[in-house]
Amino acid sequence: DPKIIQKPKYLVAVTGSEKILICEQYLGHNAMYWYRQSAKKPLEFMFSYSYQKLMDNQTASSRFQPQSSKKNHLDLQITALKPDDSATYFCASSQTGTGVYEQYFGPGTRLTVL
Amino acid sequence: GDKVKQSPSALSLQEGTNSALRCNFSIAATTVQWFLQNPRGSLINLFYLVPGTKENGRLKSAFDSKESYSTLHIRDAQLEDSGTYFCAAEADSGYNKLTFGKGTVLLVSP
Repeated sequence: DPKIIQKPKYLVAVTGSEKILICEQYLGHNAMYWYRQSAKKPLEFMFSYSYQKLMDNQTASSRFQPQSSKKNHLDLQITALKPDDSATYFCASSQTGTGVYEQYFGPGTRLTVL
Repeated sequence: GDKVKQSPSALSLQEGTNSALRCNFSIAATTVQWFLQNPRGSLINLFYLVPGTKENGRLKSAFDSKESYSTLHIRDAQLEDSGTYFCAAEADSGYNKLTFGKGTVLLVSP
């Protein structure tokens, strides 16, 4: 059974629209993350959350807003979509407080903005 | 410049041969993870390292934080080893933020 679920797997959006990417993890982890992988850049860190609180934000644009309704959920809302936002978005999770913070990644959501 | 520099960028191996991939860090890496991204795009965990070495089957990895590098050795390469290998480092700055290299594309052929 998949331990980190991302929905949808593929997403096509028009410029200017808004989308929400879903992430749920069933690893019992307390920390969750978002990363982005595009053709132009390597995998890059976006956000980290611990116990549903934002810990680090490396995304310059406020168009990207994480939303954590439950401890094992971290969705990503993207507003005013641009073609440059086209990328695969990966959700990840890890334990915290144990000294071992190995991150595990979901299968990704591939977003295409037309 | 790149905070995590991977080499080589691409590699072709014949089945049964050995090779080594390397990452050099210009950040103060405290832990390193190695991943294989398979053709479907999934990131598969290979190793999580504090300074030291680990071995798992035909794979062996080392991380030297003082010299700021990590290596991944592949022994007896198999077709299913093909994919893109990424190293990622965590430094003291940022909350568990992983900084990734650009990857090594490995193709194993018969």
